[in-house]
Amino acid sequence: AQSVTQLDSQVPVFEEAPVELRCNYSSSVSVYLFWYVQYPNQGLQLLLKYLSGSTLVKGINGFEAEFNKSQTSFHLRKPSVHISDTAEYFCAVSFYGDDKIIFGKGTRLHILP
Amino acid sequence: DSGVTQTPKHLITATGQRVTLRCSPRSGDLSVYWYQQSLDQGLQFLIQYYNGEERAKGNILERFSAQQFPDLHSELNLSSLELGDSALYFCASSVGAGASYEQYFGPGTRLTVT
Repeated sequence: AQSVTQLDSQVPVFEEAPVELRCNYSSSVSVYLFWYVQYPNQGLQLLLKYLSGSTLVKGINGFEAEFNKSQTSFHLRKPSVHISDTAEYFCAVSFYGDDKIIFGKGTRLHILP
Repeated sequence: DSGVTQTPKHLITATGQRVTLRCSPRSGDLSVYWYQQSLDQGLQFLIQYYNGEERAKGNILERFSAQQFPDLHSELNLSSLELGDSALYFCASSVGAGASYEQYFGPGTRLTVT
């Protein structure tokens, strides 16, 4: 079955430290991959997406993600987080030929002072 | 501000009732998507319309229905409401129909069923 898994429901990290949010997917066909961010009491906003081409994707707010086909992963990274990065982050996947996007359960990022 | 508007912002109703949620997409966007976000189920895709036609269907219950009107706004109708329907309902829009097009999310409608 096609699915997406976010391995951590919550990630605490100190301000100015690096962070990695993990995402794995399961699919027998090619995929599009996305990371969305949801700030408190707001809708979702696209951080970055992988459609094809370079496996390293850069997004907004200093985030980047790397598509690893052999490990079926699309982990999100930021070298130095700020208090304003406090939010919930969703990994999402869409499968070629299907308009639907399947979202992971989300990872809540807690920035510690 | 994504440019997608949703009304109402909050809705409190009783079990068995029917409600209508409204979404206006960004100017120029032809696709509208509906999602349900709850603590136990996470963010679930419900249904997509493109230029007035149903394009894709997800985990939408038979008690729920949607449509997209000629002016491209969309409505999600929820009937015979149950306590478990309490959730945040998001609308998103995109310029095209495929998943490669960026989806812009509205602020959501919080539905509470008592």
